[in-house]
Amino acid sequence: NAGVTQTPKFQVLKTGQSMTLQCAQDMNHNSMYWYRQDPGMGLRLIYYSASEGTTDKGEVPNGYNVSRLNKREFSLRLESAAPSQTSVYFCASSELTGDYQPQHFGDGTRLSIL
Amino acid sequence: SQQGEEDPQALSIQEGENATMNCSYKTSINNLQWYRQNSGRGLVHLILIRSNEREKHSGRLRVTLDTSKKSSSLLITASRAADTASYFCAARDYGNNRLAFGKGNQVVVIP
Repeated sequence: NAGVTQTPKFQVLKTGQSMTLQCAQDMNHNSMYWYRQDPGMGLRLIYYSASEGTTDKGEVPNGYNVSRLNKREFSLRLESAAPSQTSVYFCASSELTGDYQPQHFGDGTRLSIL
Repeated sequence: SQQGEEDPQALSIQEGENATMNCSYKTSINNLQWYRQNSGRGLVHLILIRSNEREKHSGRLRVTLDTSKKSSSLLITASRAADTASYFCAARDYGNNRLAFGKGNQVVVIP
């Protein structure tokens, strides 16, 4: 069981470059999320998609865009990378219905911007 | 906004001892969840406690919730070296399925 798969696992970019982080889940979940994790900051929500065809901003959306390609895939794009976007990025998914649904996480993409 | 705030931030204990972590939140919640993160990995869901529950057990885990104080605690009994990880609480508001994560507790269990 793959669960949530993120690619790539590591990436180094130069300031101003663009890149797309990919996420796919095989649990037939409706909702998907992108977080960033910085030292001492916990996880902060960037964008989420409650269901296929919808996306909403989270706590820290500036500098990012997302695409919910289909029910399985949710991508995160950095159009012009900045050093402040150096972080570990996590994708997660969960069921939409019901109030007691935990989130399932991928193993992250470690992104460094020079 | 970040609701969960864990206290203490780092804990080092001997194998077999108990580990306790606390978490506070700011608004009314639907439920509170605890996650574990091993080094270099994603978060793994451990246990969920609903707002109308006061205590919940799962194996060696015990979670309490005090809605009057807006706080929760996670107790790991008889700790093992494999429990070495970071532990995060996450509060879920009513009306949406977004989670607000705390900053995490790092627990080191010494064999």
